[in-house]
Amino acid sequence: EPEVTQTPSHQVTQMGQEVILRCVPISNHLYFYWYRQILGQKVEFLVSFYNNEISEKSEIFDDQFSVERPDGSNFTLKIRSTKLEDSAMYFCASTPPGHSTNNEQFFGPGTRLTVL
Amino acid sequence: AQSVAQPEDQVNVAEGNPLTVKCTYSVSGNPYLFWYVQYPNRGLQFLLKYITGDNLVKGSYGFEAEFNKSQTSFHLKKPSALVSDSALYFCAVRFRPGYSSASKIIFGSGTRLSIRP
Repeated sequence: EPEVTQTPSHQVTQMGQEVILRCVPISNHLYFYWYRQILGQKVEFLVSFYNNEISEKSEIFDDQFSVERPDGSNFTLKIRSTKLEDSAMYFCASTPPGHSTNNEQFFGPGTRLTVL
Repeated sequence: AQSVAQPEDQVNVAEGNPLTVKCTYSVSGNPYLFWYVQYPNRGLQFLLKYITGDNLVKGSYGFEAEFNKSQTSFHLKKPSALVSDSALYFCAVRFRPGYSSASKIIFGSGTRLSIRP
């Protein structure tokens, strides 16, 4: 069964450094998402991406964040200058073609980002 | 604003007993409701969804959920709990803002289900 994959599983970085979190969505999916989950808290929407552009972003997704689909298979989340409060589990998700609201999102296993 | 509420942080049930994990929602328009489960150190796994039709929807691992429009609830249920059901459960509402091509999920705060042998 196809699944969303994410690398690395755990990323440790120093405050102020740039990180890139990578995701490979399911191959025929067209809608892509990033969510984050701070330890012990709820899962929060960051950004949705469709047709090579951002569809929507939350207030969390400020100028320090960017997303890219560089090669038709990968979907990346970049944090330009990490802060301590960026420490969280980051989940990538994708949805197949069709009505984007009806279809469930398929989530990757997550990348745990630790900012020191 | 679209939101979901899970009033219980933790639910404890003995194995073999029925379980219920509660969820209420607040949406404008038709609700698109989902349940996801998260096992330790794992991602979110889809359990079931309500889009339209029968109020009782069946999902993975023997779970089901009942959509109740008058009570704006979407409680998750299982007739007989297993120890392996112990996990974190998230209720979610999905909607697509009119200006957006894609939709997004708003998650509840999660309920930790603990099944004792």
